[in-house]
Amino acid sequence: QQQVKQSPQSLIVQKGGISIINCAYENTAFDYFPWYQQFPGKGPALLIAIRPDVSEKKEGRFTISFNKSAKQFSLHIMDSQPGDSATYFCAASILGSARQLTFGSGTQLTVLP
Amino acid sequence: NAGVTQTPKFQVLKTGQSMTLQCAQDMNHNSMYWYRQDPGMGLRLIYYSASEGTTDKGEVPNGYNVSRLNKREFSLRLESAAPSQTSVYFCASSGTGRGTEAFFGQGTRLTVV
Repeated sequence: QQQVKQSPQSLIVQKGGISIINCAYENTAFDYFPWYQQFPGKGPALLIAIRPDVSEKKEGRFTISFNKSAKQFSLHIMDSQPGDSATYFCAASILGSARQLTFGSGTQLTVLP
Repeated sequence: NAGVTQTPKFQVLKTGQSMTLQCAQDMNHNSMYWYRQDPGMGLRLIYYSASEGTTDKGEVPNGYNVSRLNKREFSLRLESAAPSQTSVYFCASSGTGRGTEAFFGQGTRLTVV
């Protein structure tokens, strides 16, 4: 049972373009929605995260948009750069004593120079 | 400050062999986790430890056991390895409360032949 569905599986954009990755969740108890970035041979690293009490969060070129009623959230990468080429995972968890993350299936982003 | 350290980085096992994956964190985190990463499936939680002295099953615990040796260390044991356990294994740790993120190790690539 996949509680967090992510699309697309792969994405190719030109340098300077906008990359958009979408996720949808089922469990309305989720209250923390992070995005992780993973480079080959490395572990995932937190990129940006949002809580359901806000609809948007921006950090530099990265923005999360959150739609609580639709149970969807998305990552926008503005002015995409070749160095952004990586696999991106959305995730969700329930606030508690442990941060048990439920991950999406991942999006492999390639930014062409 | 090493963060989360996993050993070994690579391992090849024969079906039926056993092994223990080691994980240590130096961030004084209460919670630790073991995930496995398979192509197209994101990361799935195997076991977690909310605090020293406690462990709980995650989404895919079958075939694995864990030990929270102390606050720093959390090991994952495969008692009788199977080809279906070929995967990349990640250990992670996090603090508690709002605003805490999970930090991941570099991963262990395990192949069972």
